[in-house]
Amino acid sequence: DTGVSQNPRHKITKRGQNVTFRCDPISEHNRLYWYRQTLGQGPEFLTYFQNEAQLEKSRLLSDRFSAERPKGSFSTLEIQRTEQGDSAMYLCATGRSSSTDTQYFGPGTRLTVL
Amino acid sequence: GNSVTQMEGPVTLSEEAFLTINCTYTATGYPSLFWYVQYPGEGLQLLLKATKADDKGSNKGFEATYRKETTSFHLEKGSVQVSDSAVYFCALSGSGGANSKLTFGKGITLSVRP
Repeated sequence: DTGVSQNPRHKITKRGQNVTFRCDPISEHNRLYWYRQTLGQGPEFLTYFQNEAQLEKSRLLSDRFSAERPKGSFSTLEIQRTEQGDSAMYLCATGRSSSTDTQYFGPGTRLTVL
Repeated sequence: GNSVTQMEGPVTLSEEAFLTINCTYTATGYPSLFWYVQYPGEGLQLLLKATKADDKGSNKGFEATYRKETTSFHLEKGSVQVSDSAVYFCALSGSGGANSKLTFGKGITLSVRP
């Protein structure tokens, strides 16, 4: 148990619907990352926060994706107007902003878009 | 940009066999290097890491040495067990230190037969 929790663990939705995922970090971790993993591939970086500030977004993150971390604790990732290509495992990882620390991953949210 | 290349899989070994999983990377600056493991039904876990050239990371009998001259970070274990069956991912961090975003390889599935 890494201490990072994600909800829901599974989400099935119809194309065109909006979905929101939540990540709760290890309490003392000020950095929070979102990754996406498709079948047979390694995780791909989407975005990250230091405290409440979103410091970097990948070009993979289309305008339909938005992430927030309003109080520097939990984070949400919202996908609007879902497409079948959004089906993937969405992973959250957290860590401290020291240069030698490690990222700890949550169990992920598996999204299936029908 | 940064990239990680892992050998093609899957790999099937008998218990007590020697394991090598190759990983090479392309990166600017001085990344930190990681091996993550994903056991069936579980989330990504850090297996080992190395933060500078010639460092050796080790954990649970696994070892990997950061080789800057060959841009490699091969994973080795002298005697695998059935419980080592999992998917293994090689990853590197960005130039901002070990807690920057991670770039992953595709992963390789290891199956160990009794």
